[in-house]
Amino acid sequence: QQQVKQSPQSLIVQKGGISIINCAYENTAFDYFPWYQQFPGKGPALLIAIRPDVSEKKEGRFTISFNKSAKQFSLHIMDSQPGDSATYFCAARGLETSGSRLTFGEGTQLTVNP
Amino acid sequence: GAGVSQSPSNKVTEKGKDVELRCDPISGHTALYWYRQRLGQGLEFLIYFQGNSAPDKSGLPSDRFSAERTGESVSTLTIQRTQQEDSAVYLCASSLEARRMETQYFGPGTRLLVL
Repeated sequence: QQQVKQSPQSLIVQKGGISIINCAYENTAFDYFPWYQQFPGKGPALLIAIRPDVSEKKEGRFTISFNKSAKQFSLHIMDSQPGDSATYFCAARGLETSGSRLTFGEGTQLTVNP
Repeated sequence: GAGVSQSPSNKVTEKGKDVELRCDPISGHTALYWYRQRLGQGLEFLIYFQGNSAPDKSGLPSDRFSAERTGESVSTLTIQRTQQEDSAVYLCASSLEARRMETQYFGPGTRLLVL
């Protein structure tokens, strides 16, 4: 059962535009929501993360918006740059009996055209 | 060490053969995770180790998969009698502890191709 659904699967944005990636989750036990960025041939790297007690977190050009009642969260990349071209994964983690595993979305391949 | 390292970086094997993948976590990290990433898909949890506690093996897809960890250092993931559907990138991650807001640091992965 896919517990974190991510969309879109791929996204093409012009340089300077806003990239928006959405995720929805089912498990109300999730209480930590990181976003990972993955470049080809590399492992994922933590980009930004949020806890559900806040509705928004901003770090530079990257912002997470969180809607607890809708069980949705999104990543906004402002002033998108060609160097942002990568695959982005949302994830969730919480107080499951198994501990601290991350449950990932399917990924979004972002291409920023110059 | 700088980060999580994995070896080999690429592995091609024939169906039915056994393979062993290695992960060296960041020094001092007590938690270690294995994930599988199939082409074009998200990461799928396989197993995690936390210190001397019993590992959580709940994500292992079949009894052909097993993993070991020596203390708080190296881990090996073994796949016996490999099948073509085992072809994927196997990623290892480590964190200071297995707490939910501890950052997991990923290695570059081992790309496994089963012919």
